[in-house]
Amino acid sequence: EAGVTQFPSHSVIEKGQTVTLRCDPISGHDNLYWYRRVMGKEIKFLLHFVKESKQDESGMPNNRFLAERTGGTYSTLKVQPAELEDSGVYFCASSQVAGASYNEQFFGPGTRLTVL
Amino acid sequence: KNQVEQSPQSLIILEGKNCTLQCNYTVSPFSNLRWYKQDTGRGPVSLTIMTFSENTKSNGRYTATLDADTKQSSLHITASQLSDSASYICVVSSSNYQLIWGAGTKLIIKP
Repeated sequence: EAGVTQFPSHSVIEKGQTVTLRCDPISGHDNLYWYRRVMGKEIKFLLHFVKESKQDESGMPNNRFLAERTGGTYSTLKVQPAELEDSGVYFCASSQVAGASYNEQFFGPGTRLTVL
Repeated sequence: KNQVEQSPQSLIILEGKNCTLQCNYTVSPFSNLRWYKQDTGRGPVSLTIMTFSENTKSNGRYTATLDADTKQSSLHITASQLSDSASYICVVSSSNYQLIWGAGTKLIIKP
């Protein structure tokens, strides 16, 4: 069974440009999460999808970030326009049906975003 | 404020030795506590997940403990191997899905 995959693995863009990150969750996982780790800091929650609906987007830093999950399969996270402080590693995770006691999340390898 | 603090920040030990990593949290309400291992360039991988009623849980050479009264957890690694070199992250869940992350302990195993 394939794990969570993310694309690209690394993106280098200039300030003001747009970047779109993609996450393909484990097949059959309704829950999809985005997290971010900026340099020297802990991983922070960005948002949570249940199928195609945004369950919780309280961690999204500002309106330059737009996440979508059309059809409830893969998800994209767009940053427009990118700022220097957006640099970091963006992780995606997925889990099975919400309500499980542990709701174990499986993580992708991350996309390293560098904004110059 | 919900926080997870880990110590030490980094640790170097010789192959074959044991070590213990610490985690203190101030997260409420508490659902469960997880330890993740993160290799360089990879996503975090779950080692253990413990709920309020669980005091200890093992996964091979990894043993996690939880004291819900003092809000402390530890991860003990026995007979370390070179492949144990990684960051170990303590994560506390305050609900069924939102995770609060510690900054991690960077562990280096030397031959």
